[in-house]
Amino acid sequence: QVTLKESGPGILQPSQTLSLTCTFSGFSLSTYGMGVGWIRQPSGKGLEWLANIWWDDDKYYNPSLKNRLTISKDTSNNQAFLKITNVDTADTATYYCARIVDGYNYGALVMDAWGQGASVTVSS
Amino acid sequence: DIQMTQSPSVLSASVGDRVTLSCKASQNINKNLDWYQQKLGEAPKLLIYFTNNLQTGIPSRFSGSGSGTDYTLTISSLQPEDVATYFCFQYNSGWTFGGGTKLELK
Repeated sequence: QVTLKESGPGILQPSQTLSLTCTFSGFSLSTYGMGVGWIRQPSGKGLEWLANIWWDDDKYYNPSLKNRLTISKDTSNNQAFLKITNVDTADTATYYCARIVDGYNYGALVMDAWGQGASVTVSS
Repeated sequence: DIQMTQSPSVLSASVGDRVTLSCKASQNINKNLDWYQQKLGEAPKLLIYFTNNLQTGIPSRFSGSGSGTDYTLTISSLQPEDVATYFCFQYNSGWTFGGGTKLELK
């Protein structure tokens, strides 16, 4: 069974750095084709993809946020991390991590397991 | 960047109705499209992958179709538990979610 769980600070102030951790089980980030992605959702709004990290340490970022994002992983401890620098109120959202499988059936790419989400509020 | 436009943004339908949700890409995405369902207060869940493939455990009343820039999610007979917001997602070039269609019961 694949599970993921996000953790974060809950509340932080503008200009600070947001650090998020995704702790997962049921798969390994050293397995070919596996990845972890971060997606966020402001309250009542849509989903925004932020970044991915892959089994081979390849990393991809949303171009609109790329300068502020850093994704990393600790394969031995089954964790992935996301840092967002210089936050402001627009970064207030629920942050999800998800398992990504590339080369799923028919060569598809899917996010087939998601965490419950971590609520982050940026406020002075 | 590829933009994904979903329509309608809100859809009201009755139990038993056939429901069609649309997703339009700003350029050809070669069927590299998934659909996700998000119920209130929950994380998104994978429904359909690579345009028309049903994820394991998803009821067969859900189906997907499309090609090029135009894609559709169909629910053949709407059930009360299908009330949710549905997002399309492309991974052909970069990664982009559509804005979502909120499906309500009439």
